[in-house]
Amino acid sequence: EADIYQTPRYLVIGTGKKITLECSQTMGHDKMYWYQQDPGMELHLIHYSYGVNSTEKGDLSSESTVSRIRTEHFPLTLESARPSHTSQYLCASRDTHTEAFFGQGTRLTVV
Amino acid sequence: QKEVEQDPGPLSVPEGAIVSLNCTYSNSAFQYFMWYRQYSRKGPELLMYTYSSGNKEDGRFTAQVDKSSKYISLFIRDSQPSDSATYLCAMLHNAGNMLTFGGGTRLMVKP
Repeated sequence: EADIYQTPRYLVIGTGKKITLECSQTMGHDKMYWYQQDPGMELHLIHYSYGVNSTEKGDLSSESTVSRIRTEHFPLTLESARPSHTSQYLCASRDTHTEAFFGQGTRLTVV
Repeated sequence: QKEVEQDPGPLSVPEGAIVSLNCTYSNSAFQYFMWYRQYSRKGPELLMYTYSSGNKEDGRFTAQVDKSSKYISLFIRDSQPSDSATYLCAMLHNAGNMLTFGGGTRLMVKP
């Protein structure tokens, strides 16, 4: 079983609030990813990291930011949440030439 | 055109049927292939991970890779209602760090 954890699992928050979605993995993987997925839709890559102090934006434009200060931790922050940010956010990690493992996701609702 | 194509379905089969799920791809540099199962409102769960052409079996699941045709398949034998989910294929090329996902096929197994 994959050791990658996301918190919170569910979050309902008001417009304009700052939020941080947490993602941690205990597998020592150097590569970590954040995906956004609307119900029944495809995964869209929003951020990724190849290691500590390395972060890049993905294919989907996002108003969120990420940081990678420690190998095991890859938090995603929204400075000012909007209803358009309502979605499921999925974190994944992998090592070089290995499969990716996903967390259970955070379902965010901005009201 | 997308690098990885996957029929979105839905694919509806009776319990006990053999299910065939497929992806085609255009980038011959893809070397690693994964299949994920995703239940509604959950994170994708890794089912199979293959590197070379040929077959790999794990319980009721068989992954097949045909690099010459740029075609991969996942077969599910003796399908169960609990197999009802969305199945995602994913690919990685040898020199890359980015996973490329198919759009997913929704499978419904009816009792």
